[in-house]
Amino acid sequence: DQQVKQNSPSLSVQEGRISILNCDYTNSMFDYFLWYKKYPAEGPTFLISISSIKDKNEDGRFTVFLNKSAKHLSLHIVPSQPGDSAVYFCTATVGSSNTGKLIFGQGTTLQVKP
Amino acid sequence: DADVTQTPRNRITKTGKRIMLECSQTKGHDRMYWYRQDPGLGLRLIYYSFDVKDINKGEISDGYSVSRQAQAKFSLSLESAIPNQTALYFCATSDVGRGTDTQYFGPGTRLTVL
Repeated sequence: DQQVKQNSPSLSVQEGRISILNCDYTNSMFDYFLWYKKYPAEGPTFLISISSIKDKNEDGRFTVFLNKSAKHLSLHIVPSQPGDSAVYFCTATVGSSNTGKLIFGQGTTLQVKP
Repeated sequence: DADVTQTPRNRITKTGKRIMLECSQTKGHDRMYWYRQDPGLGLRLIYYSFDVKDINKGEISDGYSVSRQAQAKFSLSLESAIPNQTALYFCATSDVGRGTDTQYFGPGTRLTVL
């Protein structure tokens, strides 16, 4: 069963507009969430994270929102830039277990058009 | 120089062959991980290691084995490769501090089993 789901395989937005990437999870034990970005022929790189004790975390153009009751996260990119075109993975972990085991969503391919 | 390196970057092999994928890191991290990525799926954890004497199975360890030769080296072996092990394989590292620590990924190895 897919514990972390990204139901939109792809998203296309215009440069300068907002990109919103969504993620749902099923395991209520998850207490820490991370977004990774992946370019072709490279490994994923960390983008932003959020603890379950928060509902928002912001880092420059990137903001992650967490709705625990709905088991839903979203990543907002404002404004979107062509260099943001990549695959974005939502991941979750049980931070309190200290295993570092990440559960990945399927990924969403973002295309930002100039 | 890259902090996490993987060799080979691409490999084509035949069913039944033994193959080893290697991962080296210069980050000085204690924790190392092996993941595989299949089309349309996120990354799935195969094995992880907290130090040279601590190796643990992940979600999908069947058909794989690992060796932690040193703090900096973590190898993944397929004793008898089969076509459904065709995938993109990633190695990752993280610091020992917390289970929520960022993971740093290598560039990946594309493995094709004919």
